[in-house]
Amino acid sequence: GAGVSQSPSNKVTEKGKDVELRCDPISGHTALYWYRQSLGQGLEFLIYFQGNSAPDKSGLPSDRFSAERTGGSVSTLTIQRTQQEDSAVYLCASSSGANPNYGYTFGSGTRLTVV
Amino acid sequence: GQQVMQIPQYQHVQEGEDFTTYCNSSTTLSNIQWYKQRPGGHPVFLIQLVKSGEVKKQKRLTFQFGEAKKNSSLHITATQTTDVGTYFCAGRSGSARQLTFGSGTQLTVLP
Repeated sequence: GAGVSQSPSNKVTEKGKDVELRCDPISGHTALYWYRQSLGQGLEFLIYFQGNSAPDKSGLPSDRFSAERTGGSVSTLTIQRTQQEDSAVYLCASSSGANPNYGYTFGSGTRLTVV
Repeated sequence: GQQVMQIPQYQHVQEGEDFTTYCNSSTTLSNIQWYKQRPGGHPVFLIQLVKSGEVKKQKRLTFQFGEAKKNSSLHITATQTTDVGTYFCAGRSGSARQLTFGSGTQLTVLP
């Protein structure tokens, strides 16, 4: 596609439920990143995928968070047993190639609200 | 771990005034990038700086990378209402592939 697509755009879930957030990166972009942004805050790194390499999971805040990327394209971020502190905007970004010197293209994000 | 600090957190200016945001890293950076996030939007890539002491310009925006590659600044000349948004710096250090983002500077331009 022309840009990074994320779905759903908004998600309200009850505390304790599991949620899945989807990211469809720009075609041909081999690097994919997940960040989250709490209200009025900066961007917190969660996880990074590069091609077929093992993902860098160093930013995941707890073992309730996991992500996968199938076929080097679409990625799903799963949050199990959601907590209220998980409420944030979850942003996906992709960039071109293994060269780290490319700017990120962000999707519009998924606003997650845990009630 | 790497930390990127950004000041000020908020800045209100009258239209036509200049604006500057500053970014400081706890570690030497291999490069630094700048992003703009409009209210309700997502971050959009503006520019990347790689070389020590590098200066780049985009119309009214001037970006600098410090000699020690630990700090950077973004200066906007004669702000316009279209400049409203939050400006983030983001840097990489060492072997890290992901960017560490600063906390951002939220710019309000009063007409």
